[in-house]
Amino acid sequence: DAGVIQSPRHEVTEMGQEVTLRCKPISGHNSLFWYRQTMMRGLELLIYFNNNVPIDDSGMPEDRFSAKMPNASFSTLKIQPSEPRDSAVYFCASSFLRGGSGYEQYFGPGTRLTVT
Amino acid sequence: QQQVKQSPQSLIVQKGGISIINCAYENTAFDYFPWYQQFPGKGPALLIAIRPDVSEKKEGRFTISFNKSAKQFSLHIMDSQPGDSATYFCAASNFGNEKLTFGTGTRLTIIP
Repeated sequence: DAGVIQSPRHEVTEMGQEVTLRCKPISGHNSLFWYRQTMMRGLELLIYFNNNVPIDDSGMPEDRFSAKMPNASFSTLKIQPSEPRDSAVYFCASSFLRGGSGYEQYFGPGTRLTVT
Repeated sequence: QQQVKQSPQSLIVQKGGISIINCAYENTAFDYFPWYQQFPGKGPALLIAIRPDVSEKKEGRFTISFNKSAKQFSLHIMDSQPGDSATYFCAASNFGNEKLTFGTGTRLTIIP
């Protein structure tokens, strides 16, 4: 399997512009997570989906952020309008339940977003 | 009560030594404790995980020690190598709950 795929890997945009980050989870994984990582705040969960349905979006910072999962193989995280404080690395992860253990999350390579 | 506290923030260990990273939790409902390893420019990768029915789990040079009464767990890296230099995150969840609570991370540097 190719693992979790994210695009783009790097995004540089100007304040006020719309940004769309994309994710393809591992086939067969039922859940998908969006995280944001910064030096100051560490790894933060923004939202997660189970079977394409948003389960917990309590980490979404504000209305400028939205996420969708139209089908089992694709999700987007959109920021509109973007602000410099949104600069971070955004990770997508998907998970499956390993019997007798727990839900194992597999992370993508991340998208480094810079908003100037 | 959902926090997982991780220490130290950074750690320097000589090649061949033992690296030890500690985590503590408060939520007694947590029963799945994975460790993730992250190299610069990469996403975190699952390294090893433990459930509280055992006190220790070993995979190669990596060992998780778990103390249920103290609500603490730790990662031990034996014979540490320069290739182990990375940031390590502990995490916890309730079995049946996919949402992980992550520690703040430990930046490990192995020096020759």
